[in-house]
Amino acid sequence: GNSVTQMEGPVTLSEEAFLTINCTYTATGYPSLFWYVQYPGEGLQLLLKATKADDKGSNKGFEATYRKETTSFHLEKGSVQVSDSAVYFCALTLKAAGNKLTFGGGTRVLVKP
Amino acid sequence: GAGVSQSPRYKVAKRGQDVALRCDPISGHVSLFWYQQALGQGPEFLTYFQNEAQLDKSGLPSDRFFAERPEGSVSTLKIQRTQQEDSAVYLCASSLDRGSGNTIYFGEGSWLTVV
Repeated sequence: GNSVTQMEGPVTLSEEAFLTINCTYTATGYPSLFWYVQYPGEGLQLLLKATKADDKGSNKGFEATYRKETTSFHLEKGSVQVSDSAVYFCALTLKAAGNKLTFGGGTRVLVKP
Repeated sequence: GAGVSQSPRYKVAKRGQDVALRCDPISGHVSLFWYQQALGQGPEFLTYFQNEAQLDKSGLPSDRFFAERPEGSVSTLKIQRTQQEDSAVYLCASSLDRGSGNTIYFGEGSWLTVV
Protein backbone atom coordinates (compact mmCIF):
# COMPACT_ATOMS: atom_id res chain seq x y z
CA GLY A 1 0.00 0.00 0.00
CA ASN A 2 0.88 3.66 -0.04
CA SER A 3 2.42 5.26 3.02
CA VAL A 4 4.36 8.30 4.22
CA THR A 5 6.88 8.30 7.03
CA GLN A 6 8.18 11.49 8.57
CA MET A 7 10.38 12.22 11.51
CA GLU A 8 8.68 12.41 14.85
CA GLY A 9 8.65 15.62 16.78
CA PRO A 10 8.63 17.77 18.56
CA VAL A 11 11.48 19.63 16.95
CA THR A 12 12.57 22.60 19.02
CA LEU A 13 14.74 25.25 17.42
CA SER A 14 15.98 28.74 18.09
CA GLU A 15 15.02 31.56 15.76
CA GLU A 16 17.21 31.76 12.62
CA ALA A 17 18.24 28.10 12.92
CA PHE A 18 18.16 25.70 9.96
CA LEU A 19 15.19 23.34 9.82
CA THR A 20 15.02 19.94 8.14
CA ILE A 21 12.07 17.57 8.40
CA ASN A 22 12.66 14.20 6.78
CA CYS A 23 9.93 12.53 4.74
CA THR A 24 10.06 9.26 2.83
CA TYR A 25 7.27 7.51 1.00
CA THR A 26 6.16 4.17 -0.39
CA ALA A 27 3.83 4.20 -3.35
CA THR A 28 2.56 1.81 -6.00
CA GLY A 29 2.99 4.22 -8.84
CA TYR A 30 4.25 7.73 -9.50
CA PRO A 31 2.92 10.03 -6.77
CA SER A 32 2.62 13.76 -6.42
CA LEU A 33 4.13 14.99 -3.16
CA PHE A 34 2.99 17.71 -0.79
CA TRP A 35 3.83 19.46 2.44
CA TYR A 36 0.90 20.80 4.43
CA VAL A 37 1.17 23.00 7.51
CA GLN A 38 -1.24 23.36 10.42
CA TYR A 39 -0.75 26.51 12.49
CA PRO A 40 -2.20 26.55 16.02
CA GLY A 41 -5.97 26.88 15.87
CA GLU A 42 -6.09 26.83 12.09
CA GLY A 43 -6.86 24.35 9.33
CA LEU A 44 -4.43 22.50 7.09
CA GLN A 45 -2.82 24.70 4.46
CA LEU A 46 -0.84 23.62 1.45
CA LEU A 47 2.77 24.76 1.89
CA LEU A 48 4.34 23.41 -1.28
CA LYS A 49 4.13 20.59 -3.77
CA ALA A 50 6.05 18.74 -6.48
CA THR A 51 4.50 16.56 -9.14
CA LYS A 52 7.49 14.90 -10.80
CA ALA A 53 10.98 13.71 -10.03
CA ASP A 54 13.62 16.40 -9.39
CA ASP A 55 10.97 19.12 -9.12
CA LYS A 56 11.57 21.55 -6.27
CA GLY A 57 8.59 23.00 -4.48
CA SER A 58 9.11 26.25 -2.62
CA ASN A 59 7.05 28.72 -0.62
CA LYS A 60 7.63 31.14 2.29
CA GLY A 61 11.33 30.23 2.38
CA PHE A 62 10.60 26.50 2.62
CA GLU A 63 11.88 24.09 -0.03
CA ALA A 64 11.54 20.39 -0.79
CA THR A 65 12.90 18.40 -3.72
CA TYR A 66 11.19 15.29 -5.11
CA ARG A 67 13.85 12.56 -5.04
CA LYS A 68 12.58 9.47 -6.81
CA GLU A 69 15.78 7.51 -6.30
CA THR A 70 15.56 7.81 -2.52
CA THR A 71 11.73 8.13 -2.39
CA SER A 72 12.10 11.24 -0.29
CA PHE A 73 10.71 14.76 -0.06
CA HIS A 74 12.56 16.42 2.82
CA LEU A 75 11.42 19.87 3.92
CA GLU A 76 14.03 22.55 4.60
CA LYS A 77 14.17 26.17 5.65
CA GLY A 78 17.36 28.09 6.09
CA SER A 79 16.32 30.49 8.84
CA VAL A 80 13.19 29.81 10.85
CA GLN A 81 11.04 32.36 12.62
CA VAL A 82 8.79 32.05 15.66
CA SER A 83 5.84 32.26 13.29
CA ASP A 84 6.94 28.97 11.69
CA SER A 85 5.89 27.11 14.83
CA ALA A 86 3.29 24.63 13.58
CA VAL A 87 2.69 20.99 12.71
CA TYR A 88 4.00 19.95 9.31
CA PHE A 89 2.54 17.05 7.33
CA CYS A 90 4.10 15.29 4.37
CA ALA A 91 1.58 13.70 2.00
CA LEU A 92 1.19 12.04 -1.37
CA THR A 93 -1.51 11.49 -3.94
CA LEU A 94 -1.75 8.95 -6.72
CA LYS A 95 -3.90 9.39 -9.79
CA ALA A 96 -4.81 5.72 -9.65
CA ALA A 97 -6.05 6.20 -6.09
CA GLY A 98 -8.43 8.98 -7.06
CA ASN A 99 -6.23 11.82 -5.89
CA LYS A 100 -6.87 11.16 -2.21
CA LEU A 101 -4.10 12.34 0.10
CA THR A 102 -2.12 9.88 2.22
CA PHE A 103 -0.52 11.72 5.13
CA GLY A 104 2.41 11.13 7.39
CA GLY A 105 1.94 11.42 11.12
CA GLY A 106 3.01 15.05 11.32
CA THR A 107 6.00 16.78 12.89
CA ARG A 108 5.48 19.50 15.47
CA VAL A 109 8.00 22.33 15.21
CA LEU A 110 8.49 24.84 17.98
CA VAL A 111 10.67 27.88 17.30
CA LYS A 112 11.82 29.81 20.35
CA PRO A 113 12.87 33.45 20.24
CA GLY B 1 -17.26 31.39 -0.35
CA ALA B 2 -13.57 32.01 -0.36
CA GLY B 3 -12.65 28.75 1.33
CA VAL B 4 -14.00 25.44 2.55
CA SER B 5 -16.46 26.06 5.34
CA GLN B 6 -17.38 23.50 7.99
CA SER B 7 -19.98 23.50 10.73
CA PRO B 8 -20.25 23.08 13.59
CA ARG B 9 -16.69 23.92 14.54
CA TYR B 10 -17.09 22.15 17.87
CA LYS B 11 -19.53 19.45 18.89
CA VAL B 12 -19.85 17.55 22.15
CA ALA B 13 -22.05 14.49 21.85
CA LYS B 14 -23.15 11.97 24.41
CA ARG B 15 -22.28 8.38 23.59
CA GLY B 16 -25.04 6.92 21.48
CA GLN B 17 -26.14 10.23 20.00
CA ASP B 18 -26.26 10.84 16.25
CA VAL B 19 -24.27 13.77 14.83
CA ALA B 20 -24.24 15.52 11.46
CA LEU B 21 -21.29 17.55 10.22
CA ARG B 22 -21.67 19.92 7.30
CA CYS B 23 -19.20 20.95 4.63
CA ASP B 24 -19.49 23.78 2.10
CA PRO B 25 -16.72 23.30 -0.48
CA ILE B 26 -15.20 26.03 -2.60
CA SER B 27 -17.66 27.04 -5.29
CA GLY B 28 -17.15 25.06 -8.49
CA HIS B 29 -15.01 22.37 -6.94
CA VAL B 30 -15.91 18.96 -8.28
CA SER B 31 -14.01 16.80 -5.82
CA LEU B 32 -14.85 16.63 -2.13
CA PHE B 33 -13.08 14.60 0.54
CA TRP B 34 -13.69 13.80 4.19
CA TYR B 35 -10.82 12.97 6.54
CA GLN B 36 -10.63 12.00 10.20
CA GLN B 37 -7.76 13.32 12.32
CA ALA B 38 -7.22 11.81 15.74
CA LEU B 39 -5.29 13.82 18.30
CA GLY B 40 -1.58 13.92 17.48
CA GLN B 41 -1.92 12.00 14.23
CA GLY B 42 -2.13 12.73 10.54
CA PRO B 43 -5.49 12.90 8.77
CA GLU B 44 -6.93 9.59 7.57
CA PHE B 45 -9.06 9.36 4.44
CA LEU B 46 -12.74 8.57 4.94
CA THR B 47 -14.57 9.13 1.67
CA TYR B 48 -14.51 10.92 -1.69
CA PHE B 49 -17.15 12.48 -3.92
CA GLN B 50 -16.95 13.58 -7.50
CA ASN B 51 -19.93 15.88 -7.87
CA GLU B 52 -22.81 13.96 -6.26
CA ALA B 53 -21.28 10.52 -6.81
CA GLN B 54 -19.56 8.86 -3.88
CA LEU B 55 -16.72 7.14 -5.70
CA ASP B 56 -14.72 5.89 -2.75
CA LYS B 57 -15.90 5.13 0.77
CA SER B 58 -13.17 2.69 1.63
CA GLY B 59 -12.02 4.72 4.64
CA LEU B 60 -15.30 4.83 6.52
CA PRO B 61 -14.55 2.93 9.75
CA SER B 62 -17.97 1.33 10.22
CA ASP B 63 -21.52 1.32 8.93
CA ARG B 64 -22.30 3.97 11.56
CA PHE B 65 -20.60 6.49 9.27
CA PHE B 66 -22.52 7.82 6.30
CA ALA B 67 -21.78 10.68 3.91
CA GLU B 68 -23.83 12.32 1.21
CA ARG B 69 -23.56 15.14 -1.32
CA PRO B 70 -26.97 15.06 -2.98
CA GLU B 71 -26.63 18.10 -5.25
CA GLY B 72 -22.92 17.94 -5.85
CA SER B 73 -22.14 20.88 -3.60
CA VAL B 74 -22.73 20.79 0.17
CA SER B 75 -21.85 17.52 1.88
CA THR B 76 -22.91 16.04 5.20
CA LEU B 77 -21.05 13.43 7.22
CA LYS B 78 -23.35 11.62 9.61
CA ILE B 79 -22.22 9.46 12.49
CA GLN B 80 -24.84 7.31 14.12
CA ARG B 81 -24.72 6.02 17.71
CA THR B 82 -21.46 7.82 18.42
CA GLN B 83 -18.75 6.04 20.39
CA GLN B 84 -15.82 7.50 22.31
CA GLU B 85 -13.39 6.35 19.64
CA ASP B 86 -15.19 8.63 17.18
CA SER B 87 -13.71 11.64 19.01
CA ALA B 88 -11.54 13.40 16.43
CA VAL B 89 -11.37 16.36 14.10
CA TYR B 90 -13.33 15.76 10.91
CA LEU B 91 -11.80 17.60 7.98
CA CYS B 92 -13.50 18.39 4.72
CA ALA B 93 -11.48 19.25 1.63
CA SER B 94 -12.21 20.11 -1.96
CA SER B 95 -10.38 20.43 -5.25
CA LEU B 96 -11.21 21.66 -8.69
CA ASP B 97 -11.17 18.19 -10.22
CA ARG B 98 -9.65 14.79 -9.87
CA GLY B 99 -6.39 15.50 -11.64
CA SER B 100 -3.24 14.28 -9.98
CA GLY B 101 -1.30 17.12 -8.41
CA ASN B 102 -4.31 19.42 -8.11
CA THR B 103 -4.30 21.45 -4.94
CA ILE B 104 -6.67 20.16 -2.28
CA TYR B 105 -8.02 22.85 0.05
CA PHE B 106 -9.03 22.02 3.60
CA GLY B 107 -11.60 23.48 5.93
CA GLU B 108 -10.79 24.24 9.56
CA GLY B 109 -12.46 21.06 10.70
CA SER B 110 -15.24 20.00 13.01
CA TRP B 111 -13.95 18.96 16.44
CA LEU B 112 -16.10 16.13 17.77
CA THR B 113 -15.84 15.02 21.39
CA VAL B 114 -17.93 12.05 22.48
CA VAL B 115 -18.48 11.83 26.23
